[in-house]
Amino acid sequence: NAGVTQTPKFQVLKTGQSMTLQCAQDMNHEYMSWYRQDPGMGLRLIHYSVGAGITDQGEVPNGYNVSRSTTEDFPLRLLSAAPSQTSVYFCASSGLIGPGAPYEQYFGPGTRLTVT
Amino acid sequence: EDKVVQSPLSLVVHEGDTVTLNCSYEVTNFRSLLWYKQEKKAPTFLFMLTSSGIEKKSGRLSSILDKKELSSILNITATQTGDSAIYLCAASIQGAQKLVFGQGTRLTINP
Repeated sequence: NAGVTQTPKFQVLKTGQSMTLQCAQDMNHEYMSWYRQDPGMGLRLIHYSVGAGITDQGEVPNGYNVSRSTTEDFPLRLLSAAPSQTSVYFCASSGLIGPGAPYEQYFGPGTRLTVT
Repeated sequence: EDKVVQSPLSLVVHEGDTVTLNCSYEVTNFRSLLWYKQEKKAPTFLFMLTSSGIEKKSGRLSSILDKKELSSILNITATQTGDSAIYLCAASIQGAQKLVFGQGTRLTINP
C-alpha cells in the first residue's frame, strides 16, 4: 500500500497562474480532504469529499476547486494563484463512522507551494 | 462556529520532564477527539477518544477526554528529544463530516 500520495512536493507559481495539486489513495477510503497549514494556524479544511461525485466546502474554500470522479483521486485546483495561497497543502483520507463522521485520517506528505 | 483551542501554543522543557498539553473544543454534534503528532512532514495519528474518562495509552503517551469540560489532555512522561514536534488535536463532527483542528502546540525537548 502506498497510502496517500501527493504531487508535486514543491511548487513555485507566479501570481495569476493556475495549477492542480494531485492526491491519490489506495486504501479504498470514502472520505478525502484537503487542508492548508500556515504557521500558528494548525490545519484548515479547504474542501472535502465523502465519496465519488460528492464534494463540499470546508473552512477556507475561496480560490480552490475540487472534483472527485473516482474513489482514489481528489485533485485540488488553484484557479488564479495569489500570494495569500502560499502554504503547505496536505491531502488526507479516512473511512467514515456511522452517519458520516471521519475518523483517523491518513495524511499525504504535503506540497509546499510558494506564490510570488 | 465550531472551534478547537490548544494550549500552550509553545512549550520548551528538558529531557526527562513530564508535559501536559491541553485541548478544548466547542463544536456541535461532537463525535470524537483525535490527537496527532507532526514532526517534519505530515501529521501521524496518536489517539482517538470518544468516551469520557477512559484513558488511552501508548508507551509514555496517554490521553483522556472530559466531555463535561469539553476538553482533552495529552500527557507525555519521561520526555525524550524525539518527542519534539507539533501536537495537534481535532474534533470529529458527526453530520458535518469534517475534522476541526486546533492551532497545535509546538513542543521542544532540550537535552
